[in-house]
Amino acid sequence: GENVEQHPSTLSVQEGDSAVIKCTYSDSASNYFPWYKQELGKGPQLIIDIRSNVGEKKDQRIAVTLNKTAKHFSLHITETQPEDSAVYFCAASPLSSNTGKLIFGQGTTLQVKP
Amino acid sequence: GAVVSQHPSRVICKSGTSVKIECRSLDFQATTMFWYRQFPKKSLMLMATSNEGSKATYEQGVEKDKFLINHASLTLSTLTVTSAHPEDSSFYICSATGKGPYEQYFGPGTRLTVT
Repeated sequence: GENVEQHPSTLSVQEGDSAVIKCTYSDSASNYFPWYKQELGKGPQLIIDIRSNVGEKKDQRIAVTLNKTAKHFSLHITETQPEDSAVYFCAASPLSSNTGKLIFGQGTTLQVKP
Repeated sequence: GAVVSQHPSRVICKSGTSVKIECRSLDFQATTMFWYRQFPKKSLMLMATSNEGSKATYEQGVEKDKFLINHASLTLSTLTVTSAHPEDSSFYICSATGKGPYEQYFGPGTRLTVT
């Protein structure tokens, strides 16, 4: 089955700097890769996603890149702000699952220092 | 947007009792709903997948008689934790697909504490 590895587990950056979180997946047939932001005591919020037919997607300060050959994808946050501090999860959706089931990474706790 | 609600947000129950958690998609019809469990500082663990009008599909290791899931309509799914024990204390989160072909939207979660 699909397995998703996420690194780093914690990341601390200074306000204004960039943050990069990386994920690798094992099932080459996976075709959908979302990123979620989870604040303390709340449910995950979808912040950006990418499909396997696209190599990069950007939305304001957030971008995601996908390397299908290497089976890894990354989240890039530029000009970080204190409100970006949260836990970020990557996920992959195996093609074998026709229900949209997601396999999540372990999460990255991002701290943006003012 | 795509809004998913959960009720209650917090619940405390005594050991041996049952508790029901509701998950609703407010502005779209959810073709599939998912139930997750999350331990402190851990990732989301999928418990089961449910489609409206059919039996839920449980992940390996999840007791279906312990965690009863009912998907009564395209906007409502319920999770009932039966005969709850302290080890069932956790953060339970639902999600739903249906707004788009792939996107999965999460509810705010329910904090269950079993005393």
